[in-house]
Amino acid sequence: DQQVKQNSPSLSVQEGRISILNCDYTNSMFDYFLWYKKYPAEGPTFLISISSIKDKNEDGRFTVFLNKSAKHLSLHIVPSQPGDSAVYFCAASGNTNAGKSTFGDGTTLTVKP
Amino acid sequence: NAGVTQTPKFRVLKTGQSMTLLCAQDMNHEYMYWYRQDPGMGLRLIHYSVGEGTTAKGEVPDGYNVSRLKKQNFLLGLESAAPSQTSVYFCASSLDSFVGGYTFGSGTRLTVV
Repeated sequence: DQQVKQNSPSLSVQEGRISILNCDYTNSMFDYFLWYKKYPAEGPTFLISISSIKDKNEDGRFTVFLNKSAKHLSLHIVPSQPGDSAVYFCAASGNTNAGKSTFGDGTTLTVKP
Repeated sequence: NAGVTQTPKFRVLKTGQSMTLLCAQDMNHEYMYWYRQDPGMGLRLIHYSVGEGTTAKGEVPDGYNVSRLKKQNFLLGLESAAPSQTSVYFCASSLDSFVGGYTFGSGTRLTVV
């Protein structure tokens, strides 16, 4: 049973437009959510996170929204740039988990010039 | 800033051989993790450590052992490699159990033939 799901394996957007990446989770014990970005042949890098006590967190061009009732979060990138082309992983953690994170399968974002 | 360093970067093993993957971090982080990533999938937790001298099993621990004799190092061992262990292995560390995300290494690509 996959507890964190990213249902879209890929997404293609035009440069300057908004990119919206989605993530669903099933475990109600998760209370901290993170997004990572991964380029080929590199390790993932932390992008942005949100605690379950918030419904929005913003950092520059990146905003994460959390809908706890729907067990859904999304990452918005505005405006999208070609350098944003990468695999984006959603991850979830619980405060009793010793920091362990459960990852989704990732969404490959392609931003076209 | 070295961050998290993994060695080796690539390795080919024959079935039944053993090897050790080394992860070293210079950020004084308490928490360290070993994940594996298979094609088209997210990262799955193998083992983790919440401090020097401690280790615990993750989601997919079978066939692996770990040790954390020094705070900065986390070793992942394969005693008898199997083709099913062909994967990319990522080590990660974090300062806090909950906040701030992981710092990942660049990965070790292991092929077992």
